[in-house]
Amino acid sequence: DQQVKQNSPSLSVQEGRISILNCDYTNSMFDYFLWYKKYPAEGPTFLISISSIKDKNEDGRFTVFLNKSAKHLSLHIVPSQPGDSAVYFCAASDGSNTGKLIFGQGTTLQVKP
Amino acid sequence: NAGVMQNPRHLVRRRGQEARLRCSPMKGHSHVYWYRQLPEEGLKFMVYLQKENIIDESGMPKERFSAEFPKEGPSILRIQQVVRGDSAAYFCASSPPRGSGGGAKNIQYFGAGTRLSVL
Repeated sequence: DQQVKQNSPSLSVQEGRISILNCDYTNSMFDYFLWYKKYPAEGPTFLISISSIKDKNEDGRFTVFLNKSAKHLSLHIVPSQPGDSAVYFCAASDGSNTGKLIFGQGTTLQVKP
Repeated sequence: NAGVMQNPRHLVRRRGQEARLRCSPMKGHSHVYWYRQLPEEGLKFMVYLQKENIIDESGMPKERFSAEFPKEGPSILRIQQVVRGDSAAYFCASSPPRGSGGGAKNIQYFGAGTRLSVL
């Protein structure tokens, strides 16, 4: 049962353009969402997060949008840079006292110079 | 460097041997999580520990796998009698105590992982 889904395994964009990565979830109890970025042979690095009581959070070139009614969130990167090329994971927390994260399968972003 | 430290980075074991993976959390962090990533998949939660306590082990296989986080020293993920299906990347993450003001809620900071290969 995949509670967090990233349906696009890969995405390719031109440098300077916008990258949009999508994530869907099924569990309405999720109350916090995070995006992590991962380079090969490294661990995931926290990028940006959003609480379920908000619909948008922005940090520099990165913006996360949350649509609770659609159980959908997206990460926008603008402008995209070649150094953004990595695997991006969407993760959700169910608000339980464990704090465990449920991850999507990841989307590989390639930004072409 | 006060990041999450995992060792070894790579571990090769033959079927039937034991694997021990170590994780030292970030300074000031008392919560440790272990995740497993199989090829072409996302990370899957295994276990959540605080010092000397297992809080949630709902993601741990029922047999051969165990974890501990002693009062002193790193957290250990132990896999007994390894099989080929155990080959994966194992990631440890840590977070500060709840309400510590150490950052946004539920942010976990990950180590570089241990890549286990079972021959």
